[in-house]
Amino acid sequence: DGGITQSPKYLFRKEGQNVTLSCEQNLNHDAMYWYRQDPGQGLRLIYYSQIVNDFQKGDIAEGYSVSREKKESFPLTVTSAQKNPTAFYLCASGVGTGREKLFFGSGTQLSVL
Amino acid sequence: AQSVTQLGSHVSVSEGALVLLRCNYSSSVPPYLFWYVQYPNQGLQLLLKYTSAATLVKGINGFEAEFKKSETSFHLTKPSAHMSDAAEYFCAVSDSVPGTYKYIFGTGTRLKVLA
Repeated sequence: DGGITQSPKYLFRKEGQNVTLSCEQNLNHDAMYWYRQDPGQGLRLIYYSQIVNDFQKGDIAEGYSVSREKKESFPLTVTSAQKNPTAFYLCASGVGTGREKLFFGSGTQLSVL
Repeated sequence: AQSVTQLGSHVSVSEGALVLLRCNYSSSVPPYLFWYVQYPNQGLQLLLKYTSAATLVKGINGFEAEFKKSETSFHLTKPSAHMSDAAEYFCAVSDSVPGTYKYIFGTGTRLKVLA
């Protein structure tokens, strides 16, 4: 079945540690997105990518990094520079035309130890 | 840049009552608008979308939304609420940037359905 897979479902970060969230899609979508969800703040865009080896910062990119080495994969690294990383992280993909819906993964809950 | 505003972070309705969730948009060009639903600890699912065809858009699970340019609104309605409608609802707009589009989401409205 085609879809978008995020792992792990739960992740814990120690202070000063970098952690990486995985996002894989087999929908042959060009565009991929990372959002952060905090209660009452909706979804805020961290990074997005339209093509392999290219990505752009969203509204809250500080403390995060991404790569897009393969069309299917768009991992997000939460670095130690992100001082408040506890949140629900959602990855999404789409065809990139703006007219079509996004497909979402089931999310990763990141917490700080 | 385009944006959406959702009025009311929490809405409660009785089972069988009308559901009305409000969304206003800000756009300098005809927008593409979306409503998504999110159940606890899950990703988002599309309910419906507006892409400049009919102004009254019908979606899944009996939901519909009407695009009103004069009011810059895209409110979501359902004639009769069901317990299974309890969830969080997000309005979104796609914003053109060089080479692609990004999607901007509202802050969400949590719908509670009372028995």
